[in-house]
Amino acid sequence: GENVEQHPSTLSVQEGDSAVIKCTYSDSASNYFPWYKQELGKGPQLIIDIRSNVGEKKDQRIAVTLNKTAKHFSLHITETQPEDSAVYFCAASGGVYNQGGKLIFGQGTELSVKP
Amino acid sequence: EAGVTQFPSHSVIEKGQTVTLRCDPISGHDNLYWYRRVMGKEIKFLLHFVKESKQDESGMPNNRFLAERTGGTYSTLKVQPAELEDSGVYFCASSLISGPTLSKPYGYTFGSGTRLTVV
Repeated sequence: GENVEQHPSTLSVQEGDSAVIKCTYSDSASNYFPWYKQELGKGPQLIIDIRSNVGEKKDQRIAVTLNKTAKHFSLHITETQPEDSAVYFCAASGGVYNQGGKLIFGQGTELSVKP
Repeated sequence: EAGVTQFPSHSVIEKGQTVTLRCDPISGHDNLYWYRRVMGKEIKFLLHFVKESKQDESGMPNNRFLAERTGGTYSTLKVQPAELEDSGVYFCASSLISGPTLSKPYGYTFGSGTRLTVV
């Protein structure tokens, strides 16, 4: 079945620095890649997503890139702030094994932004 | 607009007992999904309802887990009997559409989860 690998598992940066989280997926038919932010005591919140017909997407300080050939996608956060501290999950959907809205998640990255 | 609501937020039960988790999706969302995160690992898919029908239950770990969605509104997930390895956070999500399309927003919304601890 589909597998999504996410790295790193933990990431600590200084406020103002950039943070990059990387994911790889196994099902080449996957065509939708969302990123979720989970804060303590809350459910995952969609922060940005990208579809397979797009290579890059930006939303203010957040950007996502997709390399379909290599089956890689990455989350980039610039000018990090303490409120960016959370667990971030990548996910994939739309492939052979993840039809019907089923999301396959990566293992999560715990991001800590130090003031 | 009210979000996805899950009850209870926390539950601590003894091994062998029964627990029932509830999810109230966003009104009008026909698609309802259950996921769980065990011991800091990835969030794993359990099953998917379209209205009251089970569309995909390939992620249900075993027959100790029973999900229902009578009337196509709220859903319950029962674990009977609970085992230690069932501990984790159980998330529910709902959406308007059931599959990714290139022209519509996905509409996926998660609840805050139920933290289940089996001791």
